[in-house]
Amino acid sequence: QVQLQESGPGLVKPSETLSLSCTVSGGSINSYYWSWIRQPPGRGLEWIGYIYYSGSTNYNPSLKSRVTISVDTSKNQFSLKLSSLTAADTAVYYCARGSIWAGMFWFDPWGQGTLVTVSS
Amino acid sequence: EIVLTQSPGTLSLSPGERATLSCRASQSVSSTNLAWYQQKPGQAPRLLIYGASSRATGIPDRFSGSGSGTDFTLTISRLEPEDFAVYYCQQYGSSPPITFGQGTRLEIK
Repeated sequence: QVQLQESGPGLVKPSETLSLSCTVSGGSINSYYWSWIRQPPGRGLEWIGYIYYSGSTNYNPSLKSRVTISVDTSKNQFSLKLSSLTAADTAVYYCARGSIWAGMFWFDPWGQGTLVTVSS
Repeated sequence: EIVLTQSPGTLSLSPGERATLSCRASQSVSSTNLAWYQQKPGQAPRLLIYGASSRATGIPDRFSGSGSGTDFTLTISRLEPEDFAVYYCQQYGSSPPITFGQGTRLEIK
């Protein structure tokens, strides 16, 4: 079955850029909407954005000016860059596979998540 | 932006009881565009329901979803000990295309 695994630094400094990768195993990255979602400690889920395997993207307007999501189909990976970090960006970052069918959209499966702390 | 409001914030019930969780949208949502997730402490969310009422693969039939327009419900017919968790609804539609509710915590009474 398809599995996703996030990787990247656990601690980044304010004003710097966060870079995370998600490796997809057990299936191809071709097709589907490869997504990033985050969850501040003790709080709810916030969708960051997604990329279709062809490269088209859609970002949350609240983060759009700071977010870039890219895909490397040769490595079965997709990546997140989030710039101008502040403490408010401290969260568990999840990657997930988005599926669309007959007008429905859902995330399944999800990676286990990686905690990113923004602190000097 | 479509805001999803979940209620109650916390629901205290005993195993064997029936749980009814609500998700209300600030604007009408196509019934095909509503999903539910379960999240246990330290774990990633798990898909339960998509298209408002279709169970995901491997999800027990004690979980059911219903609703349309602005009001959606997740029902757990008979609570098992492993069902105590936080539940989120998610919609897909207008900008931003994806939003989540704030979650309902289901705790053991």
